[in-house]
Amino acid sequence: QSALTQPASVSGSPGQSITISCTGTINDVGGYNYVSWYQQHPGKAPKLMIYDVTNRPSGVSNRFSGSKSGSTASLTISGLQAEDEADYYCSSFTSSSNVVFGGGTSLTVL
Amino acid sequence: QVQLQESGPGLVKPSQTLSLTCTVSGGSISSGVYYWSWIRQHPGKGLEWIGYIYHSGNTYFNPSLKSRLTISIDTSKNQFSLKVSSVTAADTAVYYCARCYGDHPYHDYWGQGSLVTVSS
Repeated sequence: QSALTQPASVSGSPGQSITISCTGTINDVGGYNYVSWYQQHPGKAPKLMIYDVTNRPSGVSNRFSGSKSGSTASLTISGLQAEDEADYYCSSFTSSSNVVFGGGTSLTVL
Repeated sequence: QVQLQESGPGLVKPSQTLSLTCTVSGGSISSGVYYWSWIRQHPGKGLEWIGYIYHSGNTYFNPSLKSRLTISIDTSKNQFSLKVSSVTAADTAVYYCARCYGDHPYHDYWGQGSLVTVSS
């Protein structure tokens, strides 16, 4: 199974909005509404930010939102804050009943 | 609050078997809705799903690693384990265990991670 495709890096200024894309195929992102997003700060374990494409776990800021169109999912962070600077990974269920992650995107808050 | 903790050797020799155990606290590993995953992260790289196990013992593996993997579960100890055979330097990584909501696979609780280095 191939990793989902994410941009290597994105950046934005405090207060702005950014969007991170995650592109797969009909066998993963395009075939199921089971896309999740994770935030990872250096040296820390990943943290679940979005599940089932659009849902936020309890405690996650509503500045984080998810969407999907076809085989591309997106994570949008609005009102960018310094603490949002981290790596972000998407993940999807696959037609083989497996899980696949994206390559990761490094977010820089300017 | 569910907590997961990885344990095992931090150094493994090439060609040997890497073994890690994840101890789950704050919840039962026998809960019907969850799978229990292993995920790894090579130094400076992205996340790679290794595989997961259901409390019944059903397992699913990353096809690229399947031939070298064993994942087992011990419900009496609330633990699950990973074995990777015939390791090389390419298996050097931080290994995470995580809880996966089975019907809509997402990982909501993670261990802190365990660095395993393969070196002679």
